[in-house]
Parts: sequence; C-alpha cells; structure tokens
Amino acid sequence: AQSVTQPDIHITVSEGASLELRCNYSYGATPYLFWYVQSPGQGLQLLLKYFSGDTLVQGIKGFEAEFKRSQSSFNLRKPSVHWSDAAEYFCAVAPTGTASKLTFGTGTRLQVTL
Amino acid sequence: NAGVMQNPRHLVRRRGQEARLRCSPMKGHSHVYWYRQLPEEGLKFMVYLQKENIIDESGMPKERFSAEFPKEGPSILRIQQVVRGDSAAYFCASSPTVGQGLYEQYFGPGTRLTVT
Repeated sequence: AQSVTQPDIHITVSEGASLELRCNYSYGATPYLFWYVQSPGQGLQLLLKYFSGDTLVQGIKGFEAEFKRSQSSFNLRKPSVHWSDAAEYFCAVAPTGTASKLTFGTGTRLQVTL
Repeated sequence: NAGVMQNPRHLVRRRGQEARLRCSPMKGHSHVYWYRQLPEEGLKFMVYLQKENIIDESGMPKERFSAEFPKEGPSILRIQQVVRGDSAAYFCASSPTVGQGLYEQYFGPGTRLTVT
C-alpha cells in the first residue's frame, strides 16, 4: 500500500528565511505527487503538483518542489518565507493513470516568527 | 467559477442522531471525494463517487456511514447514530472529467462535526 511520510511535525522559521519541508513516499511506481496548504479552520489549497517531466515544479505563492526518484522524495521549498505562510502543509500521492483517492501525510505545521 | 461548496460549515449533533453533510462540486466536475480529518491528523480518504455511482468506498466505515451522489443535486455523506468518535472535519473534493485535470482535486472548506 502506498504511504506518505512527513518527518517534521512542526517547523519554525524566521520571516525572510528559506524553507524546506520534507516528504517521502512509498509506492510501487512513480505516483502523482501534490502539496496542499491548510490555513486554520480552512480547506486545503493546492500549491503544486507533479505528474511527469521536469522534476522541479513551480507552484503558487512562490513555492517549488523537487521530485527525486532515487530518494522517493518530493520536498517543498521556498526561498524567503512570509508571515502569511504560517499554516499546515500536506504532501499527498495518488496512483498514476487514473482518478483515485489521495493518500496524505500527517502534515507539517509551519510557524513563522517576525 | 464558484469553488467546492459544503454545508453546513459547522454541525452539532447529540449521540445517536443523524448527520447529513452536503457537497456541491465545482461546475463541470463530476468526480467527488470525501475525506475525514481527525484532530491533529492528516486527511483520510473515505469514498469516491461519480454521478449515481460509488467508485471506491474502501475508506468508509462499514456501519452507519453512507454516501451518494445523485444525478441531480449535491453529494451527501450520511452518518447514522453518531458517536463521539465521529467528531471531525469532513472535507469534500471534486475533480474534472477529462484530461490531466482529472487527477487534481479541489477541496471545499469542510464541515466540522461535533458530537456531544
């Protein structure tokens, strides 16, 4: 069965600092990969996705993620964090080739200090 | 284009009552997914529906829970005889019919169910 691991439960960074959130997956093939952000009391917003092709994908709000097949990872990065980025971030995977359920990681809560 | 709509946003039920959660997908989307988020946890898949069909209900508890997506109207997640452990946020997502968009799920704001 596929699974997603986000090893960092909680991360604190200073505003303006760079950010990297880790995501590792376990799956028989290369799945479709997603990062979502959830603000308190809100639904999930899609930040970016990887289906195939260029392993560095750009998303909204200045986020990017890099797919590394050898490491089964899809880490999320941002060069300079803004206070408004404080939220919970979820990595998710889905099987390729067919619409199907997403399997989510447990999330990383990002706190931004001023 | 309105996003995924869910109502109610907050629902309080006493133990033993029924809870009905509604989800209207984005316009043009015919695939609906329900997920449950327990406090301090990630989202867990419950059920995937297309119009008038349940495609995958592998994450749905075998008893008390049911889902439908009729030809007309919203998708409904129904929980009978609620218990305190059903307290959670329930999220609906939808995706388009064709193309790569099929694999992108857009989430609603969720319904927060509290069982007292």
